[in-house]
Amino acid sequence: NAGVTQTPKFRILKIGQSMTLQCTQDMNHNYMYWYRQDPGMGLKLIYYSVGAGITDKGEVPNGYNVSRSTTEDFPLRLELAAPSQTSVYFCASGDRGRETQYFGPGTRLLVL
Amino acid sequence: KQEVTQIPAALSVPEGENLVLNCSFTDSAIYNLQWFRQDPGKGLTSLLLIQSSQREQTSGRLNASLDKSSGRSTLYIAASQPGDSATYLCAVRPGGSQGNLIFGKGTKLSVKP
Repeated sequence: NAGVTQTPKFRILKIGQSMTLQCTQDMNHNYMYWYRQDPGMGLKLIYYSVGAGITDKGEVPNGYNVSRSTTEDFPLRLELAAPSQTSVYFCASGDRGRETQYFGPGTRLLVL
Repeated sequence: KQEVTQIPAALSVPEGENLVLNCSFTDSAIYNLQWFRQDPGKGLTSLLLIQSSQREQTSGRLNASLDKSSGRSTLYIAASQPGDSATYLCAVRPGGSQGNLIFGKGTKLSVKP
């Protein structure tokens, strides 16, 4: 039981490049979330999903897109990378909306 | 809009001390409150989850309390150890949300041998 896994662990992007951050969970959770954490700050919600085929925006969705074709996977897409997207990205999952969330180890992204 | 504040931002204590970390939130309409631990370069580990109907939760040397009406929670760590050094994050789940959390900025704890 690996929990929540994220790839890559670290990536450097040039301004304007695109990339997909991968997130997979093996706990059969319906709820999945993407957060970003800037230095010295708490986490902010980017997008979330309550089940396959259902996604919705969080607090800071601009510049990102998501999809949820399976229960296990919830990739986050950056289309045109900007320096403001330099951050650490965390994926999380939960069994129901009111219970503990389990977090992945994070992806550190640097946009230059 | 729900806001979560954690005080202090950083704390340094000698090994063996009992300590309290504080968390306050502006809207009392919450489902629950969680305390997380974050080690440098790592993800978040859930420490304690308190439902809105509960007053406290305990796990080992950790005790978290919740006063929903006043918008406050405390995390009490007994007999601190160097291994407790980490950043502690408080997060609330707003009422009516789909499970997303609102986080504070965290308290960075250093326990010196």
